[in-house]
Amino acid sequence: GENVEQHPSTLSVQEGDSAVIKCTYSDSASNYFPWYKQELGKRPQLIIDIRSNVGEKKDQRIAVTLNKTAKHFSLHITETQPEDSAVYFCAASMGGGNEKLTFGTGTRLTIIP
Amino acid sequence: DAGVIQSPRHEVTEMGQEVTLRCKPISGHNSLFWYRQTMMRGLELLIYFNNNVPIDDSGMPEDRFSAKMPNASFSTLKIQPSEPRDSAVYFCASSFQGVGTEAFFGQGTRLTVV
Repeated sequence: GENVEQHPSTLSVQEGDSAVIKCTYSDSASNYFPWYKQELGKRPQLIIDIRSNVGEKKDQRIAVTLNKTAKHFSLHITETQPEDSAVYFCAASMGGGNEKLTFGTGTRLTIIP
Repeated sequence: DAGVIQSPRHEVTEMGQEVTLRCKPISGHNSLFWYRQTMMRGLELLIYFNNNVPIDDSGMPEDRFSAKMPNASFSTLKIQPSEPRDSAVYFCASSFQGVGTEAFFGQGTRLTVV
């Protein structure tokens, strides 16, 4: 089955700086890669996703890049703010009838004011 | 739509007791997932239903765990008998089957087995 690895497990950045979280996946059939943000005591919520026919996607301060050849994808957050502090999870699925999402182990991001 | 609804939000039970967690997916969604979250193991998929049929239950820890989806608007996850190591937050999520569609999570059930 699919295996998703995520790094780093913890990340601290100064407010205003950029943060990058990286994930690799094992199954070349995976074609959907969402990122979820989970605040303390809350549910995971989707912040951005990318499909395999796209190399990069941007939404305001958040961007995701995908390299299908290398089987890795990354989350980039620019101009970080205190409210960005949370745990971020990457995930992968094949879609097309197999919607199972396999999650990475999570990155705890702390923004230092 | 109110989103994915889970009940109860919190459950404290004694070891050996039966526990039933409930989930109502978003109307129109045809995929439903049960996840367990712990500090040690992160978000683990327990079981995945599509059109009310279990597709992948390879993540169900052992025979003490069972899940059902009798119709498109309701699912249960049952643990019998419960053990302290089952303590975790259990999330239900739903999505619409397709090529890359968002999974929406419920608020979770925090289970504590003492």
